[in-house]
Amino acid sequence: EIVLTQSPATLSLSPGERATLSCRASQSVSSYLAWYQQKPGQAPRLLIYDASNRATGIPARFSGSGSGTDFTLTISSLEPEDFAVYYCQQRSNWHTFGPGTKVDIK
Amino acid sequence: QVQLQESGPGLVKPSQTLSLTCTVSGGSISSGGYYWSWIRQHPGKGLEWIGYIYYSGSTYYNPSLKSRVTISVDTSKNQFSLKLSSVTAADTAVYYCARARPRGVWWFDPWGQGTLVTVSS
Repeated sequence: EIVLTQSPATLSLSPGERATLSCRASQSVSSYLAWYQQKPGQAPRLLIYDASNRATGIPARFSGSGSGTDFTLTISSLEPEDFAVYYCQQRSNWHTFGPGTKVDIK
Repeated sequence: QVQLQESGPGLVKPSQTLSLTCTVSGGSISSGGYYWSWIRQHPGKGLEWIGYIYYSGSTYYNPSLKSRVTISVDTSKNQFSLKLSSVTAADTAVYYCARARPRGVWWFDPWGQGTLVTVSS
C-alpha cells in the first residue's frame, strides 16, 4: 500500500497570503496525484488531477506541481473561501488519500 | 451536469449489513466511460476508498474491506449500491458516492453530499 503523508497538518495564514501544501508518497506514483478541498459539512471537491491539471471551474490561484514522490499544492493568494481541509489522493494498486492539511485563518 | 445522491438507513445495528444506494442524475451510468465509486470518511478523519463498479458490473474493492463489500449496479434505475456486511462501530462514517474518471490518477468528480451511517445497537 502506498502511504501519502501531508505537511503541515495545519497551516495558519491570513487572506492574501500564499499557501504551500506538501504531499509525499511512500513510493513513486509518477504524476498520478490529485488534490481535493473539503469544507465543513461538505463533500470533497476536486481541485487538481494528474499533479498539475486544474479541474473544471477551479480558479487559477490554485496550482499543483511535482512528480514521483513529492507534490505541492499552491494557493497563490488566499481568498476567504479557501480556508478548508485539503487532501491528496493517488491510485497505484488501489486508491489512498493523505490525512489532510487544514488551512485556517491566522 | 451529473449529480449523485446517496440514500439509505442512517442507523445500522452491529453485525448487520449496511446498505446504501446512489442515484445518478444528469447522465447515464450505462453510457460507460466512468467507474462509480463509494468512499467513506470516519468522523473527524480522512477519506477511505471502498470500491467502484463499471456499468458492465466489473468491480474493484479496497483489499482491507473486500471480504465484506459488495457493490452492484442497476442501469435501469441509473443507480449503484453498496452493501457492507458484519458491521461494527468502526464502520460508523459518512459514506459518499462519486464518479471516477479512469484516466491518469482516476480522479473522483463529482461527489454526492454524503450520508452519515451510525452503527449502534
